[in-house]
Amino acid sequence: DQQVKQNSPSLSVQEGRISILNCDYTNSMFDYFLWYKKYPAEGPTFLISISSIKDKNEDGRFTVFLNKSAKHLSLHIVPSQPGDSAVYFCAASLYAGNMLTFGGGTRLMVKP
Amino acid sequence: DTGVSQNPRHKITKRGQNVTFRCDPISEHNRLYWYRQTLGQGPEFLTYFQNEAQLEKSRLLSDRFSAERPKGSFSTLEIQRTEQGDSAMYLCASSPYLGAEETQYFGPGTRLLVL
Repeated sequence: DQQVKQNSPSLSVQEGRISILNCDYTNSMFDYFLWYKKYPAEGPTFLISISSIKDKNEDGRFTVFLNKSAKHLSLHIVPSQPGDSAVYFCAASLYAGNMLTFGGGTRLMVKP
Repeated sequence: DTGVSQNPRHKITKRGQNVTFRCDPISEHNRLYWYRQTLGQGPEFLTYFQNEAQLEKSRLLSDRFSAERPKGSFSTLEIQRTEQGDSAMYLCASSPYLGAEETQYFGPGTRLLVL
């Protein structure tokens, strides 16, 4: 049973536009959520996180939104840049410092 | 470079051989995690340590997998009698375990190919 799902395997956007990556989860006990970016042959790089007591967290071009009632989170990248092209993973944990459960990833392609 | 380091970066072995991977966490991070990632999937949790104590090992894939962190610094992950299905990227992460809003930082991974 996949507890964290990223239903879009790929997304293509034009440079300068907004990229919206989505993630759904089934376990209502998840309390902490993170987004990672991964380039080929490298480990995941942390982007941004949010705890369940918040519904929005912003860091520069990256904003994460959490809708607990819908068990849904999204990552917004504005404006998108070609260097953002990578695979993006959402992850969830029962509490900070606990094991992470990852989604399957979404490949983002930002076209110049 | 003060990030998480993993060695070797690549390992090719024959089926039935034992392999060992090493992870050096970020200095002063007392939590260390191991994950496995297969092609097209997200990382899958295997085990983790707080200092030298292994807090969770039920997710290790079989009794052929074992991990240690003897002095609470670096960790090793060993796979005995490797099988072709063990071919994957093995990722290590560390965190400072400060409590709320904690981030795990990943190393570059060790890619294992079992022939």
